[in-house]
Amino acid sequence: QKEVEQNSGPLSVPEGAIASLNCTYSDRGSQSFFWYRQYSGKSPELIMSIYSNGDKEDGRFTAQLNKASQYVSLLIRDSQPSDSATYLCAVNPLNQAGTALIFGKGTTLSVSS
Amino acid sequence: DGGITQSPKYLFRKEGQNVTLSCEQNLNHDAMYWYRQDPGQGLRLIYYSQIVNDFQKGDIAEGYSVSREKKESFPLTVTSAQKNPTAFYLCASSMMGVGYEKLFFGSGTQLSVL
Repeated sequence: QKEVEQNSGPLSVPEGAIASLNCTYSDRGSQSFFWYRQYSGKSPELIMSIYSNGDKEDGRFTAQLNKASQYVSLLIRDSQPSDSATYLCAVNPLNQAGTALIFGKGTTLSVSS
Repeated sequence: DGGITQSPKYLFRKEGQNVTLSCEQNLNHDAMYWYRQDPGQGLRLIYYSQIVNDFQKGDIAEGYSVSREKKESFPLTVTSAQKNPTAFYLCASSMMGVGYEKLFFGSGTQLSVL
């Protein structure tokens, strides 16, 4: 059974701090990795995708991938109260077209003002 | 505007009843998916389809059925065999091809049992 693991949280950070969210996956052959943000009662929205080892930055968000350790992380710099949400890590386990993503259970982030 | 439309937003099921959740997309995506989300849980795959008239079971397909008669539509039926159907149901679509797996989600349907 292919798995994606995340700490459920809640992760609490003060406004302006860096929030660090972590994800591990079981299938070593996975090649595509995604972070989705989900507000309560809403559908998930994609905030980052990463395919190669290393860091990928987009605004206040940085995704980090380490395939040897089977580890993906998301850093949120200058955290804002509007960042308070559940963050879902998703993995394409087969690197094949149209393969359904496997999701972790999500980490709840709370940013206090 | 292109997107995915799910309906209804809220749905109530009586004991022994089958109910159908609608999902329509105008993004011209080949692949479509149904996920179930329980409170405090991630998304679990029910069914997915890569092409018209073909679909594959996901991890929790028991008690559900789907059809894919048109590229734009992928309805999900929750049958009476699904004994614990209360959940948030999400439909998604994507293009085909590595690097194109980004899922576009509908707004979801909250299903509850009366």
